[in-house]
Amino acid sequence: EAGVTQFPSHSVIEKGQTVTLRCDPISGHDNLYWYRRVMGKEIKFLLHFVKESKQDESGMPNNRFLAERTGGTYSTLKVQPAELEDSGVYFCASSQDLLGEQYFGPGTRLTVT
Amino acid sequence: DAKTTQPNSMESNEEEPVHLPCNHSTISGTDYIHWYRQLPSQGPEYVIHGLTSNVNNRMASLAIAEDRKSSTLILHRATLRDAAVYYCILRDVWSGGGADGLTFGKGTHLIIQP
Repeated sequence: EAGVTQFPSHSVIEKGQTVTLRCDPISGHDNLYWYRRVMGKEIKFLLHFVKESKQDESGMPNNRFLAERTGGTYSTLKVQPAELEDSGVYFCASSQDLLGEQYFGPGTRLTVT
Repeated sequence: DAKTTQPNSMESNEEEPVHLPCNHSTISGTDYIHWYRQLPSQGPEYVIHGLTSNVNNRMASLAIAEDRKSSTLILHRATLRDAAVYYCILRDVWSGGGADGLTFGKGTHLIIQP
């Protein structure tokens, strides 16, 4: 069974540009989560989808971040326009049950210069 | 989610048991105790979880104090591949529509000496 995959693995963009990160959860997992770790900080929860619906986006830092999960399969996280402080590693996770084990992807390392 | 406290780092020798402590004195009756770990350059990985009774799986054991204010993750025979940051996380089973994401702290950096 394929695990959670994320694309790209690395992205380097300039301040003000737009970047879109993609996450493919484990097939059949209705729950999809986005997290990020910025330099020197702890991993922080961003938002949670159940199928295509956003359940909780309390962790989204500001309106420059837009997450979508059309059709309840893969998800994208768009940052527009990117700022220097957005640099970090963005993780996606999925789970079958709401309170079950979360399976994490390898992360996308975003560098904004 | 209630807060947990873990040592910043621990060191152990290969092939010896490792006991990673976690304090959660403000745990509520509906909080499950979860452990995740993050190996270098990888995403976090689930290890084990429990509510009141001790739990065992192929990766580790979880010992939960009777008053549930602390717990210990036990790696029975550490290998170099177990070198990682270990996170103790509380998850409220009744959180419902609230924040369902995991709340990561700083975790314990486990160093394994060959």
